[in-house]
Amino acid sequence: DTGVSQDPRHKITKRGQNVTFRCDPISEHNRLYWYRQTLGQGPEFLTYFQNEAQLEKSRLLSDRFSAERPKGSFSTLEIQRTEQGDSAMYLCASSLVSAYNEQFFGPGTRLTVL
Amino acid sequence: KNEVEQSPQNLTAQEGEFITINCSYSVGISALHWLQQHPGGGIVSLFMLSSGKKKHGRLIATINIQEKHSSLHITASHPRDSAVYICAVRGQTGANNLFFGTGTRLTVIP
Repeated sequence: DTGVSQDPRHKITKRGQNVTFRCDPISEHNRLYWYRQTLGQGPEFLTYFQNEAQLEKSRLLSDRFSAERPKGSFSTLEIQRTEQGDSAMYLCASSLVSAYNEQFFGPGTRLTVL
Repeated sequence: KNEVEQSPQNLTAQEGEFITINCSYSVGISALHWLQQHPGGGIVSLFMLSSGKKKHGRLIATINIQEKHSSLHITASHPRDSAVYICAVRGQTGANNLFFGTGTRLTVIP
């Protein structure tokens, strides 16, 4: 399968713990996006990378959130000192740099903070 | 106010019915996506369009740039079409991220 993959698919953690999610984009895609989706809502943009450079961050990305894409391939999203409000589906997408720029989504990581 | 509004929020149809989901947006866009999300969360891109009309199987998507409106039609609906359908737009001003509607939950009853 050469689609976008995310790991883990589900994560349950206690409030105050740190969690890290991984996204592997489609191999030739140089853009990678992170989105967050809460129950009953559409996804909201968090951040995106072009190769290893983080080019844009949403105001939703508080100081407790950090994302990296060290080699321009896979990316990690870390949440420190998790809060119950962080419970959501975290979606990753990737695309080529082109005028077309169609984004392909991964299956998501569902985070539950108890 | 959300930049992207969808209607209806929920839709129940009998198998075989023709279905229309609407999307209106308030910003200038370079492209509009229709996405399908099944229980469990994975999102599949159905269409990306910037003008006119696209068709894939029983699905048809149209967009009217002047009216800032798009529709997704499903012909001969089937229970396997039951999912959340999300409209998302990409802005014009260099932004690469998508702005999403809240989705339309479709249930097709056999």
